[in-house]
Amino acid sequence: NAGVTQTPKFQVLKTGQSMTLQCAQDMNHEYMSWYRQDPGMGLRLIHYSVGAGITDQGEVPNGYNVSRSTTEDFPLRLLSAAPSQTSVYFCASSRRVEGSPLHFGNGTRLTVT
Amino acid sequence: AQSVAQPEDQVNVAEGNPLTVKCTYSVSGNPYLFWYVQYPNRGLQFLLKYITGDNLVKGSYGFEAEFNKSQTSFHLKKPSALVSDSALYFCAVRTPGSQGNLIFGKGTKLSVKP
Repeated sequence: NAGVTQTPKFQVLKTGQSMTLQCAQDMNHEYMSWYRQDPGMGLRLIHYSVGAGITDQGEVPNGYNVSRSTTEDFPLRLLSAAPSQTSVYFCASSRRVEGSPLHFGNGTRLTVT
Repeated sequence: AQSVAQPEDQVNVAEGNPLTVKCTYSVSGNPYLFWYVQYPNRGLQFLLKYITGDNLVKGSYGFEAEFNKSQTSFHLKKPSALVSDSALYFCAVRTPGSQGNLIFGKGTKLSVKP
């Protein structure tokens, strides 16, 4: 029972490079989301999806794109990396039932130099 | 604006003593409240939640939390702390109909000393 799987675990990028953070869940959850965690700031929502083909912006969406072609996968794309995007990124999923808790992946630690 | 506050960056407790990690919230409507724990280099793990009903909710690893509507608080408690409880704790809130999006507090580092 894998839950929420994120790859890679670590990544170093140069400013201006692009990359995709992968997220997959095997729980048939309709809702998926991406958060970034920065020291002293808690977790902030980047993008979310309530089902295949449906995505929406969260609190800090600039510089990031997402797509949801299947229920299982929700990749996060950095279009042109900037040092301000240095962070730990978490993918999370849940059922679309009121009160369902989020299930988190183990995160991707991204450094942009 | 909806928000969650965790007023203490760090809480230090001796093993065996009771612990409290504080959380207050500001949301419109009736909130759904959650506590999560994060161990080093790991994702967040769900501890407990309040949706409706009894104000005292029990969760994993002996933790419990008390919902207080008049004080808009949802403090996390444990009667007897363990060294293994040392971790980062996050309070989060969600309003009904918010598509599942959580608003997180900034986190409280709990340190339990032997």
